Amino acid sequence: NAGVTQTPKFRILKIGQSMTLQCTQDMNHNYMYWYRQDPGMGLKLIYYSVGAGITDKGEVPNGYNVSRSTTEDFPLRLELAAPSQTSVYFCASSYAENTEAFFGQGTRLTVV
Amino acid sequence: GDSVTQMEGPVTLSEEAFLTINCTYTATGYPSLFWYVQYPGEGLQLLLKATKADDKGSNKGFEATYRKETTSFHLEKGSVQVSDSAVYFCALSGSGGGADGLTFGKGTHLIIQP
Repeated sequence: NAGVTQTPKFRILKIGQSMTLQCTQDMNHNYMYWYRQDPGMGLKLIYYSVGAGITDKGEVPNGYNVSRSTTEDFPLRLELAAPSQTSVYFCASSYAENTEAFFGQGTRLTVV
Repeated sequence: GDSVTQMEGPVTLSEEAFLTINCTYTATGYPSLFWYVQYPGEGLQLLLKATKADDKGSNKGFEATYRKETTSFHLEKGSVQVSDSAVYFCALSGSGGGADGLTFGKGTHLIIQP
């Protein structure tokens, strides 16, 4: 049982480049989330989705975009990478509101 | 809005010591409360949870009790091991309904020395 899978695990981007962080889950969860984790700051919600075709902004959405065409996949897009987007990104899913989330292994992104 | 405050780290203990990591929260409504653990280079794993007042969550020797009167969810373990070294996050669910994920504390880095 794979759970939540993120790719890539590591990436270095130059300022202004774009990339997509991939996230897929095999638990048939409707709810999916993207967080970023910065040292000493906990996790901040970027975007979330309550089902295929439905997405909404979280606490720190600027500079990011998402889509949710299937239940399984929830990619995160960075269009114009900036040094402030250097962070560790986690995708998560849950089966209902107010329940525990299951996390992927994370993507460590460095923008130089 | 909702918020979670947990004790600053790092917390350094000797093996077999008693552990307490404090967590308090601010929320409207009736949130569920969670403790997650993150080992180096890995994602977050659910350690335990409690969904209503006075519930006690427990797992792997760790315990936490949902105290509504003090808005707290302190993590405890009677005898820690070197393998417990990790970062621990306290979190709560959206207390006012909605599906906008969990609110996390900043994390407490726990270091257990042999």
